[in-house]
Amino acid sequence: RKEVEQDPGPFNVPEGATVAFNCTYSNSASQSFFWYRQDCRKEPKLLMSVYSSGNEDGRFTAQLNRASQYISLLIRDSKLSDSATYLCVVNPNKAAGNKLTFGGGTRVLVKP
Amino acid sequence: IAGITQAPTSQILAAGRRMTLRCTQDMRHNAMYWYRQDLGLGLRLIHYSNTAGTTGKGEVPDGYSVSRANTDDFPLTLASAVPSQTSVYFCASSDSAGGTTDTQYFGPGTRLTVL
Repeated sequence: RKEVEQDPGPFNVPEGATVAFNCTYSNSASQSFFWYRQDCRKEPKLLMSVYSSGNEDGRFTAQLNRASQYISLLIRDSKLSDSATYLCVVNPNKAAGNKLTFGGGTRVLVKP
Repeated sequence: IAGITQAPTSQILAAGRRMTLRCTQDMRHNAMYWYRQDLGLGLRLIHYSNTAGTTGKGEVPDGYSVSRANTDDFPLTLASAVPSQTSVYFCASSDSAGGTTDTQYFGPGTRLTVL
């Protein structure tokens, strides 16, 4: 089983709609969680960190469910510019430093 | 220079050749990382460095070596390239190695093809 698993998609989303997707992680001791965004043939960039209480950044909402070991990302009022691959990222061992484990990514395509 | 840069942008390399991918950051970040990204496998950590003068092995270190002589530079060397090393290579840096919320900033990547 992969340490971090994501549905690769693509999620085809009408412009203005809401889309949500999850990511599961295998290490129950994982302490830090992030969503990164990666545009085609570009480098990953941090979208948002994911906190235990859940957090929101504009149209983006991230949730963490430790009991079921998954994190989620919800995008409201989707824009064409939201089309990208969203990478679920976990730091499985804080004591070992800032070494991150990446999921394979979920591709989102927002269409007019 | 602003941020983190990588060179070359892309390279086609004959199997068996030696190749060094360069990475430089001007943010004075302590920690630096090398990843490879392959379709369906996501980014995988090759080597990392928590601070200048130290390096460590990641998930897929075989066939690669790194050095960290100073804060800014973190070159990745393929001593004898093989076709399975065909990939996109990303260098990243973060302010420290121990913080749980420290953002990793990525370079633009190097596309390497080994024939």
